[in-house]
Amino acid sequence: EVQLVESGGGLAQPGGSLRVSCAASGFAFRTAWMSWVRQAPGKGLEWVARIYGKTDGGTTQYAAPVKGRFVISRDDSKSTVFLEMDSLKTEDTGVYYCTADWQGGPAFWGQGKLVTVSS
Amino acid sequence: DVVMTQSPLSLPVTLGQPASISCTSSQSLVYSDGKTYLSWFQQRPGQSPRRLIYYVSNRDSGVPDRFSGSGSDTDFTLKISRVEAEDVGVYYCMQATHWPPGYTFGQGTKLEIK
Repeated sequence: EVQLVESGGGLAQPGGSLRVSCAASGFAFRTAWMSWVRQAPGKGLEWVARIYGKTDGGTTQYAAPVKGRFVISRDDSKSTVFLEMDSLKTEDTGVYYCTADWQGGPAFWGQGKLVTVSS
Repeated sequence: DVVMTQSPLSLPVTLGQPASISCTSSQSLVYSDGKTYLSWFQQRPGQSPRRLIYYVSNRDSGVPDRFSGSGSDTDFTLKISRVEAEDVGVYYCMQATHWPPGYTFGQGTKLEIK
């Protein structure tokens, strides 16, 4: 059974930093492409970042609103993907979902982790 | 950038009746490999999203066969043959053909029981 369990997040001030992590199990993590998708309170879904598996070069991609501020990375030895968030803005507030991607997109989703950016 | 537009945004349906959601993209979603990267997701109240359909019409494992996807190029449809109470939630279409901008979701369609 595929499981994605997010941790981290919480409260940060504007301009601050936070990290969310996602521990994966139940599938071949090393070759999996992983993403982060967020959802602002009461709003729709917004893709944030994606990282390829090492066999595909480990390429990273970012949505325009977070490029230069967020970094996605992975530790294959721990089957974990990370999202490091710097220079946080109030509009970054929301639930952050970790996803395992194949067959054209996010096939499996974690339970989500709340990130709140507020002074 | 590609824009995904869903209609309607609100969909009241009587139990046992069919439902249909439309999704239109501003650009063709046919990729150079011949595949069309259009997916549908369901988000029940208080839950994480769940993928229902990938590559326009392929159901994910465990998805009831009352859900079906169709369409091509820029116009796509999600149909529910007979709505059940557990189908209440918000439905999103998503494209993965154009990079950038990356995965792009529609605004969401809220399905409720009439």
